[in-house]
Amino acid sequence: AQKVTQAQTEISVVEKEDVTLDCVYETRDTTYYLFWYKQPPSGELVFLIRRNSFDEQNEISGRYSWNFQKSTSSFNFTITASQVVDSAVYFCALWARNSGGSNYKLTFGKGTLLTVNP
Amino acid sequence: DAGITQSPRYKITETGRQVTLMCHQTWSHSYMFWYRQDLGHGLRLIYYSAAADITDKGEVPDGYVVSRSKTENFPLTLESATRSQTSVYFCASRASGSGGANEQFFGPGTRLTVL
Repeated sequence: AQKVTQAQTEISVVEKEDVTLDCVYETRDTTYYLFWYKQPPSGELVFLIRRNSFDEQNEISGRYSWNFQKSTSSFNFTITASQVVDSAVYFCALWARNSGGSNYKLTFGKGTLLTVNP
Repeated sequence: DAGITQSPRYKITETGRQVTLMCHQTWSHSYMFWYRQDLGHGLRLIYYSAAADITDKGEVPDGYVVSRSKTENFPLTLESATRSQTSVYFCASRASGSGGANEQFFGPGTRLTVL
């Protein structure tokens, strides 16, 4: 069965520190997609990035960067020079088929609560 | 307004009552989803719909009923609410294509409390 593990339940940093949120996934599917979503204190879920299993290039968007490594089944998310507005719960998610199945499903990790203190 | 909306945003009900949570999207997305978010469990899929009149169970469907008579609406009904259904409910939608891997867009959520 597919699974997403975000081992860090909570992280607390001081503003301007760099922080990396870990995401490890499990799937037997060879074609899959990985996502990151942000849930700020206001509660809505905001899409951040989608990456397919064939594209291992790292991606940078402003202060955000993502490191996808198939060899370790990881899709980690780094925030550089963190800001108070980055405080949120961050979810990693996997889009893949269950073993032997034909239906894709989106499986979320349990999230990491990031608190950035001034 | 364009986007995906949910109503009500907050609801308090009593055990045994029927409750319907509404979801409306203006993008004409084919797919719509209902999730519940609980501490320690993250987001879990309740039901989803691939198109009008096509629905299917997700991970935790027991106690819930859905319908989709129109593409833009996807109501979720708790036929007889239980305390274990106290949760935050999110509706989401996505366009078809890309092998189904298009990102899902989420509504603002409905916080439901069952007393």
